[in-house]
Amino acid sequence: SQTIHQWPATLVQPVGSPLSLECTVEGTSNPNLYWYRQAAGRGLQLLFYSVGIGQISSEVPQNLSASRPQDRQFILSSKKLLLSDSGFYLCAWTGTGPVYTFGSGTRLTVV
Amino acid sequence: SQELEQSPQSLIVQEGKNLTINCTSSKTLYGLYWYKQKYGEGLIFLMMLQKGGEEKSHEKITAKLDEKKQQSSLHITASQPSHAGIYLCGADTGGSNYKLTFGKGTLLTVNP
Repeated sequence: SQTIHQWPATLVQPVGSPLSLECTVEGTSNPNLYWYRQAAGRGLQLLFYSVGIGQISSEVPQNLSASRPQDRQFILSSKKLLLSDSGFYLCAWTGTGPVYTFGSGTRLTVV
Repeated sequence: SQELEQSPQSLIVQEGKNLTINCTSSKTLYGLYWYKQKYGEGLIFLMMLQKGGEEKSHEKITAKLDEKKQQSSLHITASQPSHAGIYLCGADTGGSNYKLTFGKGTLLTVNP
């Protein structure tokens, strides 16, 4: 069966520090992968999506970047965090169909 | 870009009561998805609607998509505390990449 893993679950980072969030999918190949951010009162915002290794599409200009070094691995990064980067980050994947399966999320607090 | 308006933003009901959450789009929906989220957790898929007039049910939850494919409703019958959470509608923006745009969510509280 397919599973999605996302870590860490919570993270508190100082302003100006780097960030690396990782997401991996098991039990499928060549998934579409997505990073969303959920900020209070703003719903889910699509940040990046990827249809293959090394293929990254950015939806919103920001302080973040994404990479897909392996077929089932999706990484969200930042070189220097801002206060506004705080939020709940969700990774998701789709296979041959359109239904998203979400990870359990990472709560990032930038202090 | 496609925007989804959800209403109400929050809802408090007594256990056993029925309730409805709405999701409206300014554009025709290629696909409409309902998800449920417990605070601090990931989203759980509930239902997907693609055809105008389509209606799907799962246990006590029924979702409908109107004929014009611009509005969807989620109806819960005889609510229970286990129904509490945030309900989000998501819309397929079209194309093969399955990019979903989400509404801001409806926070449902069910009082025992």
